[in-house]
Amino acid sequence: AQKVTQAQTEISVVEKEDVTLDCVYETRDTTYYLFWYKQPPSGELVFLIRRNSFDEQNEISGRYSWNFQKSTSSFNFTITASQVVDSAVYFCALSTSGNTGKLIFGQGTTLQVKP
Amino acid sequence: DADVTQTPRNRITKTGKRIMLECSQTKGHDRMYWYRQDPGLGLRLIYYSFDVKDINKGEISDGYSVSRQAQAKFSLSLESAIPNQTALYFCATSDGQGVLYEQYFGPGTRLTVT
Repeated sequence: AQKVTQAQTEISVVEKEDVTLDCVYETRDTTYYLFWYKQPPSGELVFLIRRNSFDEQNEISGRYSWNFQKSTSSFNFTITASQVVDSAVYFCALSTSGNTGKLIFGQGTTLQVKP
Repeated sequence: DADVTQTPRNRITKTGKRIMLECSQTKGHDRMYWYRQDPGLGLRLIYYSFDVKDINKGEISDGYSVSRQAQAKFSLSLESAIPNQTALYFCATSDGQGVLYEQYFGPGTRLTVT
């Protein structure tokens, strides 16, 4: 079975704090991709990052960083020095080679950054 | 212009009415998907299509039907809408020939069934 769990339903931080959003996945496939999407209050889904299962290097993009650990089946997302504009719902998703490209989403984490 | 468009963007309808949500894409992708989003449940797959002649049920297809009129168009129908189909609906496309399974999402359709 394939599954994505985002245990944090809601997180509230004050601006400039660092925040980590957790994502744990389950799959038996050896080839898979992990994604993060952002959904701001306007409702659209914004693609943030994609990682494949063979690349465990952490990635940094500006204030965003991602920590991929196959040993714990986790793909966590950290925002450094959070800003009010980071307030959104964040989704982690999984796509596997045996799943014909369908995305399996976590429940989402609502992040509120207060000024 | 947006690569994936959805019409309408917002719709309020009554229980028992038939409604169609439309999706068009200019990315030239073969694969198209319909998801619904409910608070606390993330996005769940309703139907997906790998080409005009290949349509498959997703996780929650009951109460829905789809039509792939052309490579670029994929419509979702609610034959007889019910209140628990109130949700945000997303269409997505992906390139089945590509290495990566990235999906490109439309802006969403907010449907309310009263």
